[in-house]
Amino acid sequence: QKEVEQDPGPLSVPEGAIVSLNCTYSNSAFQYFMWYRQYSRKGPELLMYTYSSGNKEDGRFTAQVDKSSKYISLFIRDSQPSDSATYLCAMRKQGAQKLVFGQGTRLTINP
Amino acid sequence: GAVVSQHPSWVICKSGTSVKIECRSLDFQATTMFWYRQFPKQSLMLMATSNEGSKATYEQGVEKDKFLINHASLTLSTLTVTSAHPEDSSFYICSAFGSNQPQHFGDGTRLSIL
Repeated sequence: QKEVEQDPGPLSVPEGAIVSLNCTYSNSAFQYFMWYRQYSRKGPELLMYTYSSGNKEDGRFTAQVDKSSKYISLFIRDSQPSDSATYLCAMRKQGAQKLVFGQGTRLTINP
Repeated sequence: GAVVSQHPSWVICKSGTSVKIECRSLDFQATTMFWYRQFPKQSLMLMATSNEGSKATYEQGVEKDKFLINHASLTLSTLTVTSAHPEDSSFYICSAFGSNQPQHFGDGTRLSIL
């Protein structure tokens, strides 16, 4: 069993829809949680960075962390075609530097 | 925001040659840099961890003599693929990690060995 599980999709939704992306994990020691967006043939771009449980909002993006369920989510409101990309969740333990990644979810927003 | 610059973005070379990829953190001091390899439609695979002024730590299965890593300063790490062969063709990505910073990634280098 992988430490971090993420549905690879592909996920296709119409423009303007609310998108929900999720990851589950098995190691309760993870404390820092990230969401990265990766366009084709580009490096991952940091979207959201959260510590421990709770919600964080940045524009159209909301990240949620539920440590009791070992479950994290990224919500995208008013989705745009430019949001079409692969979304990677990542996490690390307190004091650690290495990230553990999910497999990535390929998202397409249809105009 | 923090920026990591990676160069070159794309390189094509003949089998047997060595290729150097540079990774620079532009606006913060990177105590640690990471090198990843990514295959099509897959997630990132960590190759090695590089700390400034010390030898890199390689993940299991990664040949340290094939993939030479140097982290000479807090803003620069290099990956040299020595005697490259077609099977080394891939997308290589670096990331930089500094105190109070999450990991930021470069834009990757597409390496094609003919």
